Amino acid sequence: GESVGLHLPTLSVQEGDNSIINCAYSNSASDYFIWYKQESGKGPQFIIDIRSNMDKRQGQRVTVLLNKTVKHLSLQIAATQPGDSAVYFCAERSSGSARQLTFGSGTQLTVLP
Amino acid sequence: NAGVMQNPRHLVRRRGQEARLRCSPMKGHSHVYWYRQLPEEGLKFMVYLQKENIIDESGMPKERFSAEFPKEGPSILRIQQVVRGDSAAYFCASSPGQGTANYGYTFGSGTRLTVV
Repeated sequence: GESVGLHLPTLSVQEGDNSIINCAYSNSASDYFIWYKQESGKGPQFIIDIRSNMDKRQGQRVTVLLNKTVKHLSLQIAATQPGDSAVYFCAERSSGSARQLTFGSGTQLTVLP
Repeated sequence: NAGVMQNPRHLVRRRGQEARLRCSPMKGHSHVYWYRQLPEEGLKFMVYLQKENIIDESGMPKERFSAEFPKEGPSILRIQQVVRGDSAAYFCASSPGQGTANYGYTFGSGTRLTVV
């Protein structure tokens, strides 16, 4: 989805709990989705990706779910750790684009001790 | 593998000056992308380049902004006659060539441009 607005949504979780970060996208032609993590002062770091022909993909401690019917993407982080505190962005690639990505507005995840 | 290298990390320019941002892609990557990020916002696509070619510049402002990726040397994002609104973080990313299944980029650490 397009990035709009001036204030990031925030999510606070206790250390050890699971986190779920949601993202809505608007382009039904998007065929590839990525989650990035961005720590303060750094560039986005790839976490996990998923293609539109899948509805779930798992990595180490992370799971991405894709619901194309409602154009919704989620990132689940198991056993959240302090090092997971960051801004998380979803990004989508339109099948008709020349490999450019469209980023969502991001969610600030804060892990409480 | 040093990753995507951007320099400078921080750049301060007065209004009307020129800003040059440099990006060296990861070794073996032939595609470079530039994105701009305003505070508390997501990244916005600017331009996609291959060596000596601009593939997609649909996100570039029509005036004052240009980008190149020469045969030798880093990719350069050039902003002429900077204005306060150009203040942002500019990120470069690179990826392998066409034909790869992975469209995920590797991003650099960015250049934070401040126009005073």
